[in-house]
Amino acid sequence: DAGVIQSPRHEVTEMGQEVTLRCKPIPGHDYLFWYRQTMMRGLELLIYFNNNVPIDDSGMPEDRFSAKMPNASFSTLKIQPSEPRDSAVYFCASSLRPGQHTGELFFGEGSRLTVL
Amino acid sequence: AQSVAQPEDQVNVAEGNPLTVKCTYSVSGNPYLFWYVQYPNRGLQFLLKYITGDNLVKGSYGFEAEFNKSQTSFHLKKPSALVSDSALYFCAVSLYYNTDKLIFGTGTRLQVFP
Repeated sequence: DAGVIQSPRHEVTEMGQEVTLRCKPIPGHDYLFWYRQTMMRGLELLIYFNNNVPIDDSGMPEDRFSAKMPNASFSTLKIQPSEPRDSAVYFCASSLRPGQHTGELFFGEGSRLTVL
Repeated sequence: AQSVAQPEDQVNVAEGNPLTVKCTYSVSGNPYLFWYVQYPNRGLQFLLKYITGDNLVKGSYGFEAEFNKSQTSFHLKKPSALVSDSALYFCAVSLYYNTDKLIFGTGTRLQVFP
């Protein structure tokens, strides 16, 4: 079975450049989550979508971050302009019905971003 | 505000010994609690959950967790550790009124020595 697919797996860029991370959720899952993982802050929820609609973006750190889900099979997380403090592993996860009903999020393998 | 705490950054245990990874939570209302595991360079994988009912929950790979409401804890346990259990373990909580959103703890690194 195809899991959550993220690209790129690794990205090294220079400060000020635009970064776009991509995610393909598991077909049929109607929830999609973007998380960021750092040593200092652990795993943070940035934003999540239900049926392609953003539900909660309160975790998005600032206006430099934006996320879209143009259709049920694709989402992007964009950072523009990027800064060194954005260096982290960014995870995408999808779910049929998180929390109470299934409790199971399916995570991709992450995109490791390094901003120099 | 809801939160979940994992008081130990790392737990070391010898193979064959029982293991416990601790988790405590702070929420208003009934919590829904979860454990996830992360192997190196991989995404998180679901292990088990507590929603309601029996306080002892069994999950994948022989892991179990015990919900203790009075101590607001949800410790992960396994009777006999394997070297292959070495990984990063995350406890998570969601609220009954917003069950879509999981808040994760900071993670505990489990190291099982041969």
